[in-house]
Amino acid sequence: DAGVIQSPRHEVTEMGQEVTLRCKPISGHDYLFWYRQTMMRGLELLIYFNNNVPIDDSGMPEDRFSAKMPNASFSTLKIQPSEPRDSAVYFCASSIGGSYQSYGYTFGSGTRLTVV
Amino acid sequence: AQSVTQLGSHVSVSEGALVLLRCNYSSSVPPYLFWYVQYPNQGLQLLLKYTSAATLVKGINGFEAEFKKSETSFHLTKPSAHMSDAAEYFCAVSERSSASKIIFGSGTRLSIRP
Repeated sequence: DAGVIQSPRHEVTEMGQEVTLRCKPISGHDYLFWYRQTMMRGLELLIYFNNNVPIDDSGMPEDRFSAKMPNASFSTLKIQPSEPRDSAVYFCASSIGGSYQSYGYTFGSGTRLTVV
Repeated sequence: AQSVTQLGSHVSVSEGALVLLRCNYSSSVPPYLFWYVQYPNQGLQLLLKYTSAATLVKGINGFEAEFKKSETSFHLTKPSAHMSDAAEYFCAVSERSSASKIIFGSGTRLSIRP
């Protein structure tokens, strides 16, 4: 199994541009999570999906952020327009049946976003 | 709401010494508890989890953690540190009522002195 695959690994963009981060979860996993990691705020849960349906998006910072999961094998996190304060490492993670029924979450390697 | 507090943002030990990383949790219902490790430029990897079976949980790489309800703690230990243990460690909690969401602590960076 290739694990959770995120792309790109690094993204540098100018303020105001649209940014799209991509995630392919592990096949068979029915939960998908998007986290953001910064030095100041640590790991923050942005949104999570169950069977492709968004369950909790209360962590999405503002309307500039949106996430979709059109099918079981693909999800995107979009920022439009991007701002320097969005610079962070964005992680995608997937799981079977929530946090307790399997060995926790499997994380991707992350996308390091820099907005200049 | 559940939360975890990790005591000490940075811990430094000598190679071969005991590793102790502290975590206290807050939860209104019996929690699930986790420790994750993050190596530089990598995602988080599960070390171990507590889900109400044995209170002493053994994980990968020789780490273990003990759930102590009376102290609301879930400290991570390893008897003998190795240079390869240098990483960031995160304690995490999930309430059983909504077990599909994990809340992470702020992390503890572990350094190993030769």
